[in-house]
Amino acid sequence: ETGVTQSPTHLIKTRGQQVTLRCSSQSGHNTVSWYQQALGQGPQFIFQYYREEENGRGNFPPRFSGLQFPNYSSELNVNALELDDSALYLCASSSRGGVYNEQFFGPGTRLTVL
Amino acid sequence: AQSVTQLDSHVSVSEGTPVLLRCNYSSSYSPSLFWYVQHPNKGLQLLLKYTSAATLVKGINGFEAEFKKSETSFHLTKPSAHMSDAAEYFCVVSPGNYGGSQGNLIFGKGTKLSVKP
Repeated sequence: ETGVTQSPTHLIKTRGQQVTLRCSSQSGHNTVSWYQQALGQGPQFIFQYYREEENGRGNFPPRFSGLQFPNYSSELNVNALELDDSALYLCASSSRGGVYNEQFFGPGTRLTVL
Repeated sequence: AQSVTQLDSHVSVSEGTPVLLRCNYSSSYSPSLFWYVQHPNKGLQLLLKYTSAATLVKGINGFEAEFKKSETSFHLTKPSAHMSDAAEYFCVVSPGNYGGSQGNLIFGKGTKLSVKP
């Protein structure tokens, strides 16, 4: 069974640029959630994708957008990067229809905005 | 609204002594509760989950947590700390059954556990 994978592991961008982060879900999972973890904080929910549609969103502006593909992998796109976007971005996969919302996390992508 | 409060930002214990990490939750629904662990520069690993089947939940690596509805608490314990337990621990609430919610997890701010030799 393959776990959740994310790419790249590290990324450095400058303010105003755009970035795309990628996530492959665990085998058998059809739902992907994205979280932002700022330094010293707990992860914050960005949004969730199910059947290639956004299925819930946290308190993040529209410049944070995403996609889910037919194979359930997902992308997180961030436009017009700001310094405060520097964080660890975590992807989690789960199986919709699972009662207890157990989510399995990838290792994360560390984004630094200069 | 659902929320989680981890009562200690940092806990330090000696190897071989008990560990107690405290968590209180607030939820309008019958919640699912989790504890995740995050080692430095690593992703999150599920330690254990409460899903209303039993109030005392056993997890991996000797960790346990007890759900106390009257106290709205879900404290994490381990009888004897090991050096490898040093990490950040997150208490997490999921607001009700997955099928009836958006499925997001709500994290506490984390408790950093240090283990002294």
